[in-house]
Amino acid sequence: GQQVMQIPQYQHVQEGEDFTTYCNSSTTLSNIQWYKQRPGGHPVFLIQLVKSGEVKKQKRLTFQFGEAKKNSSLHITATQTTDVGTYFCAGRGSGGSNYKLTFGKGTLLTVNP
Amino acid sequence: NAGVMQNPRHLVRRRGQEARLRCSPMKGHSHVYWYRQLPEEGLKFMVYLQKENIIDESGMPKERFSAEFPKEGPSILRIQQVVRGDSAAYFCASSPATGLDGYTFGSGTRLTVV
Repeated sequence: GQQVMQIPQYQHVQEGEDFTTYCNSSTTLSNIQWYKQRPGGHPVFLIQLVKSGEVKKQKRLTFQFGEAKKNSSLHITATQTTDVGTYFCAGRGSGGSNYKLTFGKGTLLTVNP
Repeated sequence: NAGVMQNPRHLVRRRGQEARLRCSPMKGHSHVYWYRQLPEEGLKFMVYLQKENIIDESGMPKERFSAEFPKEGPSILRIQQVVRGDSAAYFCASSPATGLDGYTFGSGTRLTVV
């Protein structure tokens, strides 16, 4: 079945440093989504990427979808303490089961003020 | 718009008891998904339902687990004869259409089996 791998598992940064998390799928995806989960909270939808090579920005967050639609990245510029949480990518396959999202294990980001 | 409502937020059950988790999707959403999250793990798909229909239950254990989404009322995830390994956070999500939108998650039910 489809597998989504995410690295690193943990990342600790000083406030103001940049942060990047990477996501790789074992199969070609129809689209990929990113979620953020604060400690003790629930996942919150951030963005969806659909097109090959797509790049989207949300303030300090930059999301990329690879040309082969099998990998993605999330980059945060100049982290702030409010960025703390676990960032999950979630891939949606193509074909008959394209409703199902397969989540990576997430990257836990901690920020030292 | 109240969002996706899950209850209870926390549930403690003794081994062998039944756990019932409820989820009311966002208004206008007809697709419900249940995911399980273990500590420091990602979200594992369990089941996908539409009103009165189970579309995909491939992620749900064959025994002791069942799910429904009746015509009226919330979706229910039921775990019979709970064991310690069932302790986890169970999240429900809803969406208005498949393949097109991000999920809106509820706050989850943290199940602890003692």
